[in-house]
Amino acid sequence: QVTLKESGPVLVKPTETLTLTCTVSGFSLSNARMGVSWIRQPPGKALEWLAHIFSNDEKSYSTSLKSRLTISKDTSKSQVVLTMTNMDPVDTATYYCARIRRGSGWYEVYWGQGTLVTVSS
Amino acid sequence: DIQMTQSPSSLSASVGDRVTITCRASQGISNYLAWFQQKPGKAPKSLIYAASSLQSGVPSKFSGSGSGTDFTLTISSLQPEDFATYYCQQYNSYPRVTFGGGTKVEIK
Repeated sequence: QVTLKESGPVLVKPTETLTLTCTVSGFSLSNARMGVSWIRQPPGKALEWLAHIFSNDEKSYSTSLKSRLTISKDTSKSQVVLTMTNMDPVDTATYYCARIRRGSGWYEVYWGQGTLVTVSS
Repeated sequence: DIQMTQSPSSLSASVGDRVTITCRASQGISNYLAWFQQKPGKAPKSLIYAASSLQSGVPSKFSGSGSGTDFTLTISSLQPEDFATYYCQQYNSYPRVTFGGGTKVEIK
């Protein structure tokens, strides 16, 4: 059974760096064509893709947030980590990790439950 | 980046109604279009991929169509459990996916 679970601080102060961890089970981060994304959703607003990491360690970032984001993985711990620097109240959101894979004629997304991060002094 | 525009942003409908939601891409995305359902406080749930293919376990009252830049999601007979927010997502530029703004389906 594929599961993903996000963890990290509930509250961060403006200008601080946010570090979120996604712990996965039911699959290996080293499997071919495996990839995990981070996606966020401000309260009452739409979903926004942030970053993705593949099993071969290839990374991709949102154009608008690229300067603030770093994604990494620890295969031995089955974890994907996202850091976001210089947090601002507008970054208040539920942050999801998701396993996203695309193949010839198929596409699947498994979501974590999400974790709400509030940015406030 | 590819922009996705959904309409309407919200709609009110009655149980048993047929509902259609539209999604438009800022450039052609072939059929690399997925639809998700999200209920309050929950993660999104996958409904459709490749514009018209149902994910496993999704009831056939959901259907999708379109190709290129224009897509639709139709719910054939709205049931109480279908009141939720629906999002389209393009994955033509995978892994750089983008979502529409969402359509909230409310009870009339």
